[in-house]
Amino acid sequence: DIQMTQSPSSVSASVGDRVTITCRASQGISSWLAWYQQKPGKAPKLLIYAASSLQSGVPSRFSGSGSGTDFTLTISSLQPEDFATYYCQQANSFPPTFGPGTKVDIK
Amino acid sequence: EVQLVQSGAEVKKPGESLKISCKGSGYSFTSYWIGWVRQMPGKGLEWMGIIYPGDSDTRYSPSFQGQVTISADKSISTAYLQWSSLKASDTAMYYCARPRSGYDSPLDYWGQGTLVTVSS
Repeated sequence: DIQMTQSPSSVSASVGDRVTITCRASQGISSWLAWYQQKPGKAPKLLIYAASSLQSGVPSRFSGSGSGTDFTLTISSLQPEDFATYYCQQANSFPPTFGPGTKVDIK
Repeated sequence: EVQLVQSGAEVKKPGESLKISCKGSGYSFTSYWIGWVRQMPGKGLEWMGIIYPGDSDTRYSPSFQGQVTISADKSISTAYLQWSSLKASDTAMYYCARPRSGYDSPLDYWGQGTLVTVSS
């Protein structure tokens, strides 16, 4: 299986801050990467697919970039509703695997 | 509107069997894969397996092969996840989800989750 790592594991930030989360794959996955947001007690929500494509209905303050093994999720101006845990997922080879998550909480 | 509605929370004893469900609506159930994701308490997401209800083609993550069975009844637009003999380590939230396209593509619609608690 392809192993996914994320850094940092948690980040404390304030409303309005720019937040960047990094995801790394154990081998190249081209652009087959997705990002999800999960709030406590809720199902995950797809934010980004194909590394940089914004899922319908997702605010434009979310953006993704990268290819190969290194990827980033950026929230350009953190909003109160963005405090959550974020997961990356590779969709290049079977089985799909998720990163361990990055928790974004209030500073 | 696409919706995936899962069955309610379950409390079971070790060794018991269980089948949980996920009913799809608002789309052609037989035209999309539908998968299952495990989330153990306080932990991350694990992709378990997936089924194509149109022909019952099923794929399992090696980590879950032989541990669970995924099935679907297309006549009632419902997918299932079942265990023949539960263990305490099966305690988790289980989500069904529909991928955007192929069986390994990102999951864009999710059920609300079914909490399974296994305790003696």
